Amino acid sequence: KAGVTQTPRYLIKTRGQQVTLSCSPISGHRSVSWYQQTPGQGLQFLFEYFSETQRNKGNFPGRFSGRQFSNSRSEMNVSTLELGDSALYLCASSPGVAGRDTQYFGPGTRLTVL
Amino acid sequence: DQQVKQNSPSLSVQEGRISILNCDYTNSMFDYFLWYKKYPAEGPTFLISISSIKDKNEDGRFTVFLNKSAKHLSLHIVPSQPGDSAVYFCAASSYVLMNRDDKIIFGKGTRLHILP
Repeated sequence: KAGVTQTPRYLIKTRGQQVTLSCSPISGHRSVSWYQQTPGQGLQFLFEYFSETQRNKGNFPGRFSGRQFSNSRSEMNVSTLELGDSALYLCASSPGVAGRDTQYFGPGTRLTVL
Repeated sequence: DQQVKQNSPSLSVQEGRISILNCDYTNSMFDYFLWYKKYPAEGPTFLISISSIKDKNEDGRFTVFLNKSAKHLSLHIVPSQPGDSAVYFCAASSYVLMNRDDKIIFGKGTRLHILP
């Protein structure tokens, strides 16, 4: 099976712009979770989608949003970018809900905000 | 407020010796724990997990120990190999807390260096 894919791999934006990141989960996986990784902060949970519904959300401002399509592919959107949004954004898929099932991570999208 | 803490940012271990990575948690509701390994420029990969009904789980060279009374878990790698050099993340989740904001929590990671 193909692994989790994320596009684009690298992105440079300026403050105030918006960005959309894409994630294609492993075939058959219904859960897609998004994480933000910054130096010294580990992996911070953004949100999880399961069967097109957001079932959980982390402590991030409303500028961070996402959605999941019927084919389980997911997109994450960040509006009004800030310098602090520069990070590696990781997507992970799992057959069942993320908290009870092994997650398979994509390589990430490295976002740089100038 | 960090609910999952990995207090050692880095650890260096001689090849062939035992590597011990530690993780502490504060929320007694956590009942499922996982370890992930991450190489540069790659996403994390699952290593091993343990349920709170157990105190030990073993998979090849990797063993995870859980001490619920101390809210502490550790990952043992024996023997350590050069390919084990990576960042290791500890994660915890709670069935009871599911569907709330803090369902699965990751630590900040420990960078393991295996020395030749």
